[in-house]
Amino acid sequence: QVQLVESGGGVVQPGGSLRLSCAASGFTFGHHAMYWVRQAPGKGLEWAAVISYDSENIFYADSVKGRFTISRDNSKNTLYLQMNSLTIDDTAIYYCAKEDLKWETAGPDSWGQGTLVTVSS
Amino acid sequence: QSVLTQPPSASGTPGQRVTISCSGSSSNIGSNSVYWYQQLPGTAPKLLIYRDNQRRSGVPDRFSGSKSGTSASLAITGLRSEDEADYYCAAWDEGLTDLYVFGTGTKVTVL
Repeated sequence: QVQLVESGGGVVQPGGSLRLSCAASGFTFGHHAMYWVRQAPGKGLEWAAVISYDSENIFYADSVKGRFTISRDNSKNTLYLQMNSLTIDDTAIYYCAKEDLKWETAGPDSWGQGTLVTVSS
Repeated sequence: QSVLTQPPSASGTPGQRVTISCSGSSSNIGSNSVYWYQQLPGTAPKLLIYRDNQRRSGVPDRFSGSKSGTSASLAITGLRSEDEADYYCAAWDEGLTDLYVFGTGTKVTVL
């Protein structure tokens, strides 16, 4: 079955950087777009970024554009999120999620357990 | 600020029917598939309904989704205590800003 395991979260100071990883298994990783979705403490879900199956199409939420970089390595079945210039507002659980469709995008169908990023001085 | 609007809360007694609405626009719900997620306390979201009204394998048939124009709904019939959770709708958006949007979320309480 589909497994998504995030790692790389932790405590970082404002202005700092962090790189999240998401190891995927149980499906053909290179056939599906992938998402990063975050959830601030006590808040709702917020889409952060999406990358197409072949990395040709990448999109970001306005709130992270210019600071975060999504990437993937299909040979390693791994998704990444490089986060720079972090602010307190970036404090959240970060989930990676798999796209429902092959080759196209419609919405996520499977989610990892999440990794907590805390931005604090 | 989410572009998909849900009621903040809904409630019912065991066995009752609860409906959660998700209001959007022509750039999101009106032109793209709606997905519904359940998030139990302290856990990751789980897909319930995909492509507007398709129930994911393993999801009880008490859950159903529908869509009309720029609005969608999730219905829970025969409400059970384990249905107490947060529910979110989501869809791609072809507007000028964020491309994938989640609803504001609805907390369902079983009385």
